[in-house]
Amino acid sequence: AQSVTQLDSHVSVSEGTPVLLRCNYSSSYSPSLFWYVQHPNKGLQLLLKYTSAATLVKGINGFEAEFKKSETSFHLTKPSAHMSDAAEYFCVVSDSLAGKSTFGDGTTLTVKP
Amino acid sequence: DTEVTQTPKHLVMGMTNKKSLKCEQHMGHRAMYWYKQKAKKPPELMFVYSYEKLSINESVPSRFSPECPNSSLLNLHLHALQPEDSALYLCASSQSRDGPYNEQFFGPGTRLTVL
Repeated sequence: AQSVTQLDSHVSVSEGTPVLLRCNYSSSYSPSLFWYVQHPNKGLQLLLKYTSAATLVKGINGFEAEFKKSETSFHLTKPSAHMSDAAEYFCVVSDSLAGKSTFGDGTTLTVKP
Repeated sequence: DTEVTQTPKHLVMGMTNKKSLKCEQHMGHRAMYWYKQKAKKPPELMFVYSYEKLSINESVPSRFSPECPNSSLLNLHLHALQPEDSALYLCASSQSRDGPYNEQFFGPGTRLTVL
C-alpha cells in the first residue's frame, strides 16, 4: 500500500526567504513522486516529478525537490519565496502496484511581504 | 497543445436536474481521470479510464455516471445529486495510467453547486 504524509498543514515565510515543504511517503514498489501547486479556485499544476532518475529534481518557478530513499522523503524547496508562490501544495505518490496516485493532505504556503 | 479543458466553469443545479460535465485533451493521452475536491481538501479520485475503458471506480454513487466517447473526451453525467455533492470537479489526463509517464495534467475544474 502507498501513502504520503505532508508534515506541515501551514507554512508561513517572508518574501525573499527560503521555502521548505516536507513530504514523507510509503510505497511497496518503486514509486513516482510529484509535487503539484494549486492556486485558489484553479486546477493543479505540476511543479516537478521524480521517476527513478536523478535524485535531485528541478522544477518550474525555481522549485526543486530531493528524493531520499533512506528517509522516504521528498521535500520541496525554493531558495527565495515570491508573493506569487502563495498557494496550496500537494505531494503525490504513485506506484504501478496501486495503479493510481495518492495525494497528501496539502500544505498551505503563505508569503508575507 | 498541453491543455486540459473543462466545461462549464460553473454549474448550479437542483436535486432533480440532469446535467453533464465535459473534459477534453488533445495531448494523445490514453488515461483520463475524474476527481472531486472539497474546500481545503486534496482531490479525491472518482474514476479512471485507460484506453477508453473504465479501469477504476472508487465506489462512487450511481448518481455520477462517467463516459469516455473517444480518447480525447471524458464526460461526467450527473443525476439526482445531493447538496453534499457540491464541490470542484477536476478532470486530468496522463500519457498512461502506469509507468514513468503517469504525471497527470489537470483542467481548471468545474465548480458545482447543488441546491
